[in-house]
Amino acid sequence: AAGVIQSPRHLIKEKRETATLKCYPIPRHDTVYWYQQGPGQDPQFLISFYEKMQSDKGSIPDRFSAQQFSDYHSELNMSSLELGDSALYFCASSPRRGTEAFFGQGTRLTVV
Amino acid sequence: SQQGEEDPQALSIQEGENATMNCSYKTSINNLQWYRQNSGRGLVHLILIRSNEREKHSGRLRVTLDTSKKSSSLLITASRAADTASYFCATDQTGANSKLTFGKGITLSVRP
Repeated sequence: AAGVIQSPRHLIKEKRETATLKCYPIPRHDTVYWYQQGPGQDPQFLISFYEKMQSDKGSIPDRFSAQQFSDYHSELNMSSLELGDSALYFCASSPRRGTEAFFGQGTRLTVV
Repeated sequence: SQQGEEDPQALSIQEGENATMNCSYKTSINNLQWYRQNSGRGLVHLILIRSNEREKHSGRLRVTLDTSKKSSSLLITASRAADTASYFCATDQTGANSKLTFGKGITLSVRP
């Protein structure tokens, strides 16, 4: 069965650069989430979308933005990157909001 | 303060033993979910228990929920070396549209 696809798997950027992370949710899932997980940390909720509309917002810096497109894929845009942005970024989708979330393998972002 | 605090933070047991992990949370919830994560990989959904349920089973997993104490426990019976991973509880809070809030993980090591 198809899972949540994230690309790229690894990304190295320099400080002050921008990065775009992509997520392709499981077909017919109506909710998409983005999470940031630092080393040894729990996943921190960034933002979610329900039926392509922004639903909830967490501790997402103003330098970050996200959107979900008509084909349901989502992108997380990160600008003016800082060393502290280095983390694993996960996308997840749910068949219905409030149900189990299926996670992608994540994008490991390293800012140097 | 953190929603979904797990304890213990780390647990080391012998293969065949049972592992019990606890989670506490602070707000009203619609449901509570448990996930596992192998190092640097995506989170995998294990089990979901709704706020009106008290106990749920899935294979070797047993989860309980006490909404009066705002706590949950995950029991893994007859543990295997392959159960070695980090385990997180996540809450779907009442009033939130699409947001899973994760607690700090518990690192389980199962010795062969």
